[in-house]
Amino acid sequence: QQQVKQSPQSLIVQKGGISIINCAYENTAFDYFPWYQQFPGKGPALLIAIRPDVSEKKEGRFTISFNKSAKQFSLHIMDSQPGDSATYFCAASVMSGTASKLTFGTGTRLQVTL
Amino acid sequence: NAGVTQTPKFQVLKTGQSMTLQCAQDMNHNSMYWYRQDPGMGLRLIYYSASEGTTDKGEVPNGYNVSRLNKREFSLRLESAAPSQTSVYFCASRITRGENTEAFFGQGTRLTVV
Repeated sequence: QQQVKQSPQSLIVQKGGISIINCAYENTAFDYFPWYQQFPGKGPALLIAIRPDVSEKKEGRFTISFNKSAKQFSLHIMDSQPGDSATYFCAASVMSGTASKLTFGTGTRLQVTL
Repeated sequence: NAGVTQTPKFQVLKTGQSMTLQCAQDMNHNSMYWYRQDPGMGLRLIYYSASEGTTDKGEVPNGYNVSRLNKREFSLRLESAAPSQTSVYFCASRITRGENTEAFFGQGTRLTVV
């Protein structure tokens, strides 16, 4: 059972365009929603994150939009650049016992073309 | 500052062989995690450890065991490797600072079971 559903699986965007990746979750106990970026041969790295009491968070060209009632959140990459080409994972976290576990989406492979 | 170090980077095993994947972090984090990454499946949690001396099962623990040797080290053992365990394995440690929590990943171990 996939608790965090991510789409699309792959995305091609022209340089300067907007990349949009969507995620939906089922568990209303999730209280933290990060996005991770992964380059080939590397481990994922935190890009940006949001708490459910906020509807939007922006850091540079990256924005998370969060819709608590719809249980959806999305990543927007403005002015997409070739260097943004990577795999992006949304995730959600809930405290379980004494540790917080991250549940990941299935990933979106983004390619930004010239 | 090395962060999270995984060894080995690559490994080929025959079905039925055993091996231990090593992970060490130098950031003094309490929580550590083992994930596997498969195409189209995202990252799935195998085991995690909230603190030294404690371990808990994640989504896909069957066929694996773990040891939290001390605060720095968290190892993953395959007792009898199977082709279904062919995957890229990531170790991570995690810290929470105020409202933000961040997982730091190693570079991964690419395991092939033939």
